[in-house]
Amino acid sequence: SAVISQKPSRDICQRGTSLTIQCQVDSQVTMMFWYRQQPGQSLTLIATANQGSEATYESGFVIDKFPISRPNLTFSTLTVSNMSPEDSSIYLCSVKARLAKPNEQFFGPGTRLTVL
Amino acid sequence: GQQVMQIPQYQHVQEGEDFTTYCNSSTTLSNIQWYKQRPGGHPVFLIQLVKSGEVKKQKRLTFQFGEAKKNSSLHITATQTTDVGTYFCAGHSGGSNYKLTFGKGTLLTVNP
Repeated sequence: SAVISQKPSRDICQRGTSLTIQCQVDSQVTMMFWYRQQPGQSLTLIATANQGSEATYESGFVIDKFPISRPNLTFSTLTVSNMSPEDSSIYLCSVKARLAKPNEQFFGPGTRLTVL
Repeated sequence: GQQVMQIPQYQHVQEGEDFTTYCNSSTTLSNIQWYKQRPGGHPVFLIQLVKSGEVKKQKRLTFQFGEAKKNSSLHITATQTTDVGTYFCAGHSGGSNYKLTFGKGTLLTVNP
């Protein structure tokens, strides 16, 4: 298994500002993902964080709004830029661990973001 | 794009009753996974189904994958209060990107 920590766990931000969320894993992982989950809703994949190169974004998500870094195999950041109330959500980091069952993903505890 | 539908959205049962949630994909899947998310928690992997017609059991939980690999179900026998949470199915269409498409989830509440 993989133990994932996220910082911050929650934040309240003003419209127009940006927030960077950090994801740290305790072991090397093959893949890292960022999801968004609005209250009571399902998980939507934002992007796959690629080590040392640009992230792969899903339809509806762009790099200017959600820049992602992954400098090494165990760490990634997601920035929510120029925030609006519609960005209020839970942001989850997820990983596919090297020794996990095929395709099993582990999720971090999430970052609960409220934009005023 | 691929869509995964899940029903029901909510289910409230008396403790001891059975519970079933159903998942249907718009496309044939390589595999399907099930996750459980407790209130205030994060999704936790339960199981993965890969083979057509596969049935797997985990204590009181029974998971099925349809013959056409487009639908799946999770059945809980004799629910307990510890079963409370949202159950998500997540479909994987294959390929090396490991992208999962999640259903909307079924929120299960259990009355003791």
